[in-house]
Amino acid sequence: DAGVIQSPRHEVTEMGQEVTLRCKPISGHNSLFWYRQTMMRGLELLIYFNNNVPIDDSGMPEDRFSAKMPNASFSTLKIQPSEPRDSAVYFCASKAGGASYEQYFGPGTRLTVT
Amino acid sequence: AQSVTQLGSHVSVSEGALVLLRCNYSSSVPPYLFWYVQYPNQGLQLLLKYTSAATLVKGINGFEAEFKKSETSFHLTKPSAHMSDAAEYFCAVNPMDSSYKLIFGSGTRLLVRP
Repeated sequence: DAGVIQSPRHEVTEMGQEVTLRCKPISGHNSLFWYRQTMMRGLELLIYFNNNVPIDDSGMPEDRFSAKMPNASFSTLKIQPSEPRDSAVYFCASKAGGASYEQYFGPGTRLTVT
Repeated sequence: AQSVTQLGSHVSVSEGALVLLRCNYSSSVPPYLFWYVQYPNQGLQLLLKYTSAATLVKGINGFEAEFKKSETSFHLTKPSAHMSDAAEYFCAVNPMDSSYKLIFGSGTRLLVRP
């Protein structure tokens, strides 16, 4: 099993540019999560999908952030326009259905907005 | 609201010494509990989990944790630290009123001295 795959691993962009982060969950998992990790705020849940449907997006910071999951094997997190305060490591995680509670994390995308 | 407290943002031990990382949760109902490890520039990896079976849980890399309801604690231990254990460790709780959320502690960075 390849685990959760994220791309790119590193992204450096200028303020005002659009950024798209990508995630491929573990095959067979039906839940997907996007997290943001910063020194100041730790790990924050941004959005949760179940069976490709957004269930909880209460952690999305503002309208500049959007996430989609067009199918069971792909999700994107988009920031438009990006700002320096968006600099962080963004993690995608997936979870199997049923009584499974553990989430499996990808390697993360380190985003730097200058 | 559920919360997780990790005492000590940094813990330093000598190689071969006991590792003890503390985690306390706040919940009126025993939740599911997890420990994750994050190595530099990597995603979070599940170390072990408690899901209301045995109170002493064994995980990977020689780590174990004991659920103590009376103390609302789930401390992580390892009898003998290895240099490769140097990483950041996160305790997380899955509230019983949620089938998907993980609430993470602020993390403890473990330093292992030669």
